[in-house]
Amino acid sequence: TQLLEQSPQFLSIQEGENLTVYCNSSSVFSSLQWYRQEPGEGPVLLVTVVTGGEVKKLKRLTFQFGDARKDSSLHITAAQPGDTGLYLCAGPDSGGYNKLIFGAGTRLAVHP
Amino acid sequence: NAGVTQTPKFQVLKTGQSMTLQCAQDMNHEYMSWYRQDPGMGLRLIHYSVGAGITDQGEVPNGYNVSRSTTEDFPLRLLSAAPSQTSVYFCASSKLTGPVAEAFFGQGTRLTVV
Repeated sequence: TQLLEQSPQFLSIQEGENLTVYCNSSSVFSSLQWYRQEPGEGPVLLVTVVTGGEVKKLKRLTFQFGDARKDSSLHITAAQPGDTGLYLCAGPDSGGYNKLIFGAGTRLAVHP
Repeated sequence: NAGVTQTPKFQVLKTGQSMTLQCAQDMNHEYMSWYRQDPGMGLRLIHYSVGAGITDQGEVPNGYNVSRSTTEDFPLRLLSAAPSQTSVYFCASSKLTGPVAEAFFGQGTRLTVV
């Protein structure tokens, strides 16, 4: 069974701080995705990483896929209150590209 | 651009009642799925469909039925609601092309079973 474990579960920081959240598995994934979910809304895709060692940047967000394709990290530089939300990592189930397995998420709160 | 539309947004049911959660997408996506989201457990797959007339079970299918008569619609039926089915339900759709598929989610239905 493929599982994705995210840490930390909760993170509460002040505006301007840097942070890193992690997504780990004992299984190899062909790709990993990061979604952000705001209260009362569905998850929205932020990025997909597909190559081991790949680094992608989205403004102040930096995503990395582990060399062995078993883990990924999301680093936020100078966090802002607008970054508040639930960050979910997801990867395709071995049964098909569209069947996504989700981690439990990291709930981030950025205070002014 | 509507994307994925779920109705209703909120629902309270009594134990034993049945209901249908509606999901419609206007992106002509072949793949549609239903997830439930519970605190500390992430999103768990209930049922999915790769096209009209084709459905299959996900991780937690018990107590739920689905059908896919058209590309656009993928309703989720609760046969006899139980308190354990209290959750937030999300419908998602994506194109059926590998190797990477972006899932588009609806806004969710918050269901409480009393």
